[in-house]
Parts: sequence; C-alpha cells; structure tokens
Amino acid sequence: ETGVTQTPRHLVMGMTNKKSLKCEQHLGHNAMYWYKQSAKKPLELMFVYNFKEQTENNSVPSRFSPECPNSSHLFLHLHTLQPEDSALYLCASSQERPNTDTQYFGPGTRLTVL
Amino acid sequence: KNQVEQSPQSLIILEGKNCTLQCNYTVSPFSNLRWYKQDTGRGPVSLTIMTFSENTKSNGRYTATLDADTKQSSLHITASQLSDSASYICVVTRNTDKLIFGTGTRLQVFP
Repeated sequence: ETGVTQTPRHLVMGMTNKKSLKCEQHLGHNAMYWYKQSAKKPLELMFVYNFKEQTENNSVPSRFSPECPNSSHLFLHLHTLQPEDSALYLCASSQERPNTDTQYFGPGTRLTVL
Repeated sequence: KNQVEQSPQSLIILEGKNCTLQCNYTVSPFSNLRWYKQDTGRGPVSLTIMTFSENTKSNGRYTATLDADTKQSSLHITASQLSDSASYICVVTRNTDKLIFGTGTRLQVFP
C-alpha cells in the first residue's frame, strides 16, 4: 500500500446522479492531485492542490468539482456526467512540487456512467 | 510539441526471460524522467527517476537508462517473473512542474 486510499473503488452512476469520490493520504504530503485514466490514453492531470489551494485546473468541465478541505483529504464531486467520463480516476500526493517529488498514487475509482 | 511515446504497446514474454521497453520523448526543457509500474486495478508505483546527468539507475531487477542527447530511455527487466505483468509508464517532467505521460507498455509474463 502506498499510503493513499480512495473510496469507492467502483462506482456506477446515471447521467443525472450526483456522487463524490474521496481520497485520503497518510503520508504527511502537502500536494494532492486528481488524474483521469482512459483506456489507451495517457494519464490526464485534472486538478492540483498545494497546501489546500488549487494551483492547477487543466480545463476540466464544470461537471467535475474538486474540494480540498485539508492537506490530507481530497474530494471530486460529480454531477450530470456523460458516458465518455467513464474512466479510472486516480488520486495522488507528493511532498510538494511534482518535479522533484515522487507522486504516490491511490488504487483509483473505476467510474462507469450509464 | 511535448510528447512521450512508448513502444511496444504490448509485449508477451515467458517467465525467466529478459525484456526491454522503450520511451522516446520530445519534451523540452527536460527536468527528469520516471518509470512507473501499474498493476491491473491499481495506481502507478514509481520504479526509477533520472535527471539529465544520470544515464542509468537500477531498482532490483529493473534497470532504466537515459540518453539525453537522443531523448531516449529504456527499462530493462531481468529474469522476468509473473508479478512483472503490468503496464509500465514513462513520465517526463518539462521545465519545473509539468508532467508529460506516455500511454504505457502492457507487459504480460506467462509461465
């Protein structure tokens, strides 16, 4: 285990549902990330939080809404998703900046949008 | 354009054999290069990280090489085991904070 947990591990939702993904890190890190991993595509960075402040939003649609209440917890709130949003959503953390610090990933949430 | 390309897309080998995975990049300016291993249903786990001045780094049976002149890296796996079956992802850091991910190589090791 890497010290980063994600719940739920699997989620099936309809396009009109509202759900939330949760990530928790037990490593004392200050930076947390949300990634989307689709089949046969590179990991896509969605959001970056550094010391609870959002420092990067890579043009992610507003139907994805992140929340970082403290350095240990990160949420991704989902609403009115599309079938093409079905993917593995990975949370990661690092000490601070990603260029020198290794990112530690959680196991991911497999999301299916019907 | 900043890109990371990996080859082959998939690879099947027999247990005990060696194999080499390739990573070519066009990322500039270059900061460092990482190899990650991702088991099915799991998040990626870091294997190695190399900066511009390093041309080889080992982690057990995994050995990564870097040629910064040709912008190529390889990951060599020695005496493969069934547990090596996974996707291997090459990640290049551009400038100081932008990570560029490859699509990965899917390795399957059969007994």
